[in-house]
Amino acid sequence: DAGVIQSPRHEVTEMGQEVTLRCKPISGHNSLFWYRQTMMRGLELLIYFNNNVPIDDSGMPEDRFSAKMPNASFSTLKIQPSEPRDSAVYFCASSATEKETQYFGPGTRLLVL
Amino acid sequence: SQQGEEDPQALSIQEGENATMNCSYKTSINNLQWYRQNSGRGLVHLILIRSNEREKHSGRLRVTLDTSKKSSSLLITASRAADTASYFCATVGYIPTFGRGTSLIVHP
Repeated sequence: DAGVIQSPRHEVTEMGQEVTLRCKPISGHNSLFWYRQTMMRGLELLIYFNNNVPIDDSGMPEDRFSAKMPNASFSTLKIQPSEPRDSAVYFCASSATEKETQYFGPGTRLLVL
Repeated sequence: SQQGEEDPQALSIQEGENATMNCSYKTSINNLQWYRQNSGRGLVHLILIRSNEREKHSGRLRVTLDTSKKSSSLLITASRAADTASYFCATVGYIPTFGRGTSLIVHP
């Protein structure tokens, strides 16, 4: 298995632009997590899905952030409009169930100017 | 919050020494997981220990769990320069919740 795949690996954009981050989980995994990591706040859970259904989005910072999982093999995290404070590394992780070992993707390093 | 808190925040040792990192938490857990993150990379799972287990080993790694004290420790024996990384504990109640991590530097 190729592991969790994220794209793009790096994104530089200007404030106000829409940003879409993509994730392909490991085949057969039922849970998918989106995290944001910064020096100041550490690793924050934004949202997680079970069987493609969003279960807990309490970590989503505000309405500018949205996430979808249209099928078991694909998820997106969208920021619209983006702001400089959104600059961070965004990780996607998947696991067989929400309590078990998570497998992380390589992350998307986002810089909003 | 059941978030795990790692201690120390930073640890600097010489190659060959043992490294011990601790994780404390506040509420009951289903299991506790340790992860490693190299600079610029994603987190990699090391060990999962369930609430009814007290100790687990994996190669040079030893993890203990004391549910009465709500704490866990990760011991890396005979450390190597390649062990330099950040180490995170994730406490799992209904989902994993990560701490801020311990930054380990192993000097050759």
